[in-house]
Amino acid sequence: QSALTQPASVSGSPGQSITVSCTGTSSDVGGYNYVSWYQQQPGKAPKLIIFDVIKRPSGVSNRFSGSKSGNTASLTISGLQAEDEADYYCSSYASSTTWVFGGGTKLTVL
Amino acid sequence: EVQLVESGGGLVQPGGSLRLSCVASGFTFRSYWMHWVRQAPGKGLVWVSRINSDASSTNYADSVKGRFTISRDNAKNTLYLQMSSLRAEDTAVYYCARAPFCTTSCYNFDYWGQGTLVTVSS
Repeated sequence: QSALTQPASVSGSPGQSITVSCTGTSSDVGGYNYVSWYQQQPGKAPKLIIFDVIKRPSGVSNRFSGSKSGNTASLTISGLQAEDEADYYCSSYASSTTWVFGGGTKLTVL
Repeated sequence: EVQLVESGGGLVQPGGSLRLSCVASGFTFRSYWMHWVRQAPGKGLVWVSRINSDASSTNYADSVKGRFTISRDNAKNTLYLQMSSLRAEDTAVYYCARAPFCTTSCYNFDYWGQGTLVTVSS
């Protein structure tokens, strides 16, 4: 049950696009299409923004998109806005009915 | 409106026990899987445990297996986490989280409580 690997930080200017990667193994990210992404503002609970690799819950901006290739999933935020500044976590279903999270990525909007 | 409200956190000595509760409202609690996820101060999210809708199946992270027990009372719309043999490294905010209805996809966490802080220290 090792954590998924995410970059510690990413940054971008308003209007730009950024991508956050999430690398696991064939036992989690690569083995299932059950990767999800969460946005966490300081002092708040996480919020689901992407599930099943590419799907967006209702109410989530279409500026957020997800993808996966092999053992690596990615979250892309386009048209970066100041309100997007937050911590982002990936999660994947893993074997034996367990789940694993990434270490988190801090997004700074310059 | 879906609401999850945790309680029961506090300061406990190493080796001690604590029971967390999560009261659910705004949805048919008995139909959904539920999870506990924790976050140590300044650190990332870590999955802790899952229970299915009728409590017939439970799963745990290796780090808590044998020390923590997840349970639920569907009549009271309440999820529990019984924690024993607590260690300093169990210090964290503990969130309860709901998995979506399994006809769509129950492999993520669509609603979260605000969390309850557990501090393990002498």
